[in-house]
Amino acid sequence: NAGVTQTPKFRILKIGQSMTLQCTQDMNHNYMYWYRQDPGMGLKLIYYSVGAGITDKGEVPNGYNVSRSTTEDFPLRLELAAPSQTSVYFCASRPRGLDGELFFGEGSRLTVL
Amino acid sequence: QKEVEQNSGPLSVPEGAIASLNCTYSDRGSQSFFWYRQYSGKSPELIMSIYSNGDKEDGRFTAQLNKASQYVSLLIRDSQPSDSATYLCAVTPGYSTLTFGKGTMLLVSP
Repeated sequence: NAGVTQTPKFRILKIGQSMTLQCTQDMNHNYMYWYRQDPGMGLKLIYYSVGAGITDKGEVPNGYNVSRSTTEDFPLRLELAAPSQTSVYFCASRPRGLDGELFFGEGSRLTVL
Repeated sequence: QKEVEQNSGPLSVPEGAIASLNCTYSDRGSQSFFWYRQYSGKSPELIMSIYSNGDKEDGRFTAQLNKASQYVSLLIRDSQPSDSATYLCAVTPGYSTLTFGKGTMLLVSP
């Protein structure tokens, strides 16, 4: 099993550009999450999904969009990138019933200049 | 806003000592409590979970929960340099999401 796979690992964007961070998991987990982590800070929840076709906002959703068309994939879309979106983004998943055991991807480091 | 508070540290302990990491949370409805470890440049990994008041031991790690005081702690006995990392406290209020604290950096010196 590959677990949770995120791409790309690194990306530099110019202000105003758009991009999609890809996340896929092969563990058949229902729940998937996108977090961002700024230096010296904890993880802030951007969006989450409890199953295919269902998504919901987290704590910091502005400037982002998500979709969940399949159980495996949960892409995060950044529209009109801003310097404030410079961060490390983590995708995570978990099975139903284990409410705190998140399986994380390796992270995607995004810089907006 | 549901808050999880941790001292950012760094907490410095010598090798072989006990490291004590603390966390408080604001939502009394929180049901489950977790400690994640994050090495620099890596993703977080779950090391302990606790659901009821009292202590839970797993090897060198002990998690302590006091719901009345809204307090969770993690003790690491016989600390090793390999324990040097940031420790994230996380709670769930019974819904689908997990709220993380900012983390405490632990430095274990040989």
